[in-house]
Amino acid sequence: SQTIHQWPATLVQPVGSPLSLECTVEGTSNPNLYWYRQAAGRGLQLLFYSVGIGQISSEVPQNLSASRPQDRQFILSSKKLLLSDSGFYLCAGSRDSNQPQHFGDGTRLSIL
Amino acid sequence: EDQVTQSPEALRLQEGESSSLNCSYTVSGLRGLFWYRQDPGKGPEFLFTLYSAGEEKEKERLKATLTKKESFLHITAPKPEDSATYLCAVQAISTSGTYKYIFGTGTRLKVLA
Repeated sequence: SQTIHQWPATLVQPVGSPLSLECTVEGTSNPNLYWYRQAAGRGLQLLFYSVGIGQISSEVPQNLSASRPQDRQFILSSKKLLLSDSGFYLCAGSRDSNQPQHFGDGTRLSIL
Repeated sequence: EDQVTQSPEALRLQEGESSSLNCSYTVSGLRGLFWYRQDPGKGPEFLFTLYSAGEEKEKERLKATLTKKESFLHITAPKPEDSATYLCAVQAISTSGTYKYIFGTGTRLKVLA
């Protein structure tokens, strides 16, 4: 079965600082990978998805970027964090587009 | 506009009191509907996938059903450990031919002992 690892679980960063959140996948090769942000009382917002190494699609223009340097590694980054970047960030993976997504346990990001 | 709406937003049940959660959707090109359970501070945990109207899936006290416009998650004789937020997501085909996932905002279920 597929397992999604995310870290850290909690992160507090000052405004203007850089960000790097990492997600790794176990149990499947060439997965589709996704980054979501979940705000309180709102649905999951898809930020980026990737169908392969180096292939990134962005769903929402923003202060964030994503990269996929290896088959099972997906990284969410920012050069300069904004207050509005606070939230709960989730990484997910699926075997292909027709399969359900499986999620990691998320990173709670607080910007001060 | 493609949309997924879940109701109620919150639900309190006594232990053993059965009920249903609703997920209604308006999307074009439905490919599948997914139910997830999310505990506080955790990522969503996959429960079911439904692909066509009339389909049903069961797991312990949970049963998911699908029609052409909505899905129900039936909880039979719930226990306190069933307390969580239940999310519904729809997979559809966008106008560009790519897949897209749309999540509802969830139903927060609290089961009292």
